[in-house]
Amino acid sequence: EVQLLESGGDLVQPGGSLRLSCVASGLTFRNYVLNWVRQAPGKGLEWVSSISGTTGNTYHADSVKGRFAISRDDSKNTLYLHMSSLEAEDTAVYYCTRNWGNDYWGQGTLVIVSS
Amino acid sequence: DVVMTQSPLSLPGTLGQPASISCRSSQGLVHSDGNTYLSWFHQRPGQSPRRLIYKVSNRDSGVPDRFSGSGSGTDFTLKISRVEAEDVGVYYCMQYTQWPRTFGPGTKVDIK
Repeated sequence: EVQLLESGGDLVQPGGSLRLSCVASGLTFRNYVLNWVRQAPGKGLEWVSSISGTTGNTYHADSVKGRFAISRDDSKNTLYLHMSSLEAEDTAVYYCTRNWGNDYWGQGTLVIVSS
Repeated sequence: DVVMTQSPLSLPGTLGQPASISCRSSQGLVHSDGNTYLSWFHQRPGQSPRRLIYKVSNRDSGVPDRFSGSGSGTDFTLKISRVEAEDVGVYYCMQYTQWPRTFGPGTKVDIK
């Protein structure tokens, strides 16, 4: 069974940094595209970042470009989201998902950006 | 960016009756490889989203056959043939043909 388990969410001040992690099990990790999708409180879904399994190519939404970086460690079956220069608008539950079509989702980790 | 719109935004369903959600994209979603990358997701309150449909009309494993997806070009539909109590929640469409990936605003389904 495929499982994605996010962690690292926290309360952080505006301008601060945070690293989210997503540990995957039940799949051959290196073969898959992985993504981060976020959901602000009471709002809809927003794609944030993706990383290819084969090429390592990365893609980021304009709203986070230059501030967030997605990476992966295939030896640890772990996906990361390095977040810096955090803004109040980044407050959200961050989900790790698999494949271009987001077929599997983790349970999410909550990031709150507030002073 | 491809803008995804959904209608209605709120849908009071009736148990045992059909329901339908429309999703429109601001640009055509046919990829250069010939596929149309349009998915539907269901999110129950307090839960993570779950994918129901991929590439317009393909049901994911374990998804009840009362859910069906259809459409082409810029016009897509999710149909529930007979609404059940467990179908409440918010339904989202998403395109993954173009960058950036974009979601619709969501349609909230409850039971009348």
